[in-house]
This record gives sequence, structure tokens and C-alpha cells, in this order.
Amino acid sequence: NAGVMQNPRHLVRRRGQEARLRCSPMKGHSHVYWYRQLPEEGLKFMVYLQKENIIDESGMPKERFSAEFPKEGPSILRIQQVVRGDSAAYFCASSKRDQPQHFGDGTRLSIL
Amino acid sequence: TQLLEQSPQFLSIQEGENLTVYCNSSSVFSSLQWYRQEPGEGPVLLVTVVTGGEVKKLKRLTFQFGDARKDSSLHITAAQTGDTGLYLCAGENTDKLIFGTGTRLQVFP
Repeated sequence: NAGVMQNPRHLVRRRGQEARLRCSPMKGHSHVYWYRQLPEEGLKFMVYLQKENIIDESGMPKERFSAEFPKEGPSILRIQQVVRGDSAAYFCASSKRDQPQHFGDGTRLSIL
Repeated sequence: TQLLEQSPQFLSIQEGENLTVYCNSSSVFSSLQWYRQEPGEGPVLLVTVVTGGEVKKLKRLTFQFGDARKDSSLHITAAQTGDTGLYLCAGENTDKLIFGTGTRLQVFP
């Protein structure tokens, strides 16, 4: 069974550009979560989605960040007008209902 | 704000030694997971504990969930160099995970 797939693994953007991070959940998993790990810090919850619905976005910054999980295709975390402080590792996790979350290997975003 | 404090933050030991990592909170969680994370990779699930007082064993690793479901411990017996890594506890709160501060373990041969 393929695990949670994230791409790209590394992404470099200049300040002001847009960053799109993709996550394909494990087969059979309908719940997707995004977490951010800043350098030398722990993982922090950002958003929880099910197909076509945002369930909990309490950890998302109010501006520039958005997430979706369409009926078909991967979940997308989108960061508009990136700034240096957005540099971090972004992890996606997926699960079945009421089951533990399994993580992908992350996308490392660097802002020049 | 819910916080999970892990101790110690760093641990360096010789192969063959035993160790215990602690995960403490003032909040109650419906379940608690332990993950291990290698550099450049995502966290890998080791175990989930759900019931207060529960003890689970995974080869040389023993996990315990506190009676009040606020704290947990991970005990490793006869550590090996392959146990080196970042150990993270994570409490579940309405489907999202609150991660601990992490314990970085280094096992020397």
C-alpha cells in the first residue's frame, strides 16, 4: 500500500510568489490534515479537511493561506504572496474515520 | 491552549542502556499517539493508547497512558543505535493532534 504522498518534496519560492503543496492520502482515507513544522519547533496543526469540506481551520493563518480537498484529486495547501516567515516543513496526514493519522514525508518550503 | 511537555528534551546514551521519555499535560486527551521522526522524513506512528492506565508493548518499547489520560511515558529497554531519532507524543483533541515538544534521542555504540 502506498503511503501518504506529498509533492514536491522541496519547493523554492521568491517573496511574493505563490506556493502550492499537494497531498494524496493513503488509499481508503477520506480525512486529510495539514501541519507545519517551523525550524527547531514542533508540529503545529493547521487544517482538517474531508472531501469537499473544511472541518477545522483553527490553525490556519487568517490571510494568504487556503486549503482544499476536492472530490477528485489531491488536497492542496496554497500560500499566496509568500514571505520569509513561511519557510518551514509542511506535513500532510491522512486517516480513516476515528483511526490514527499517518504522515507523508513533507514539503520543505524555502523562501528566497 | 493545550500543551504537551516532553522530557527530557535531549538524551544521549550508550547502546544497551534503558531510558524513559515523559509526556505531560494539564489537559485530558481522548487518545495519545507516539511517533518517531527521522531527519528529512515525516513522523512514523509507533503506537496509540486510548484507555487510562493502558500499557502497550512493541518489542523493546513500552508505552503507558496515565490513569487520568493526561500523561504518558515511553520506556526503551536495551537501547540500540537504530533507536536514534526524534520521539514525539501527540494528544488527540477533536480529530486534530496536539504535538509535544519532542525528545531527541542519540544512542552511541
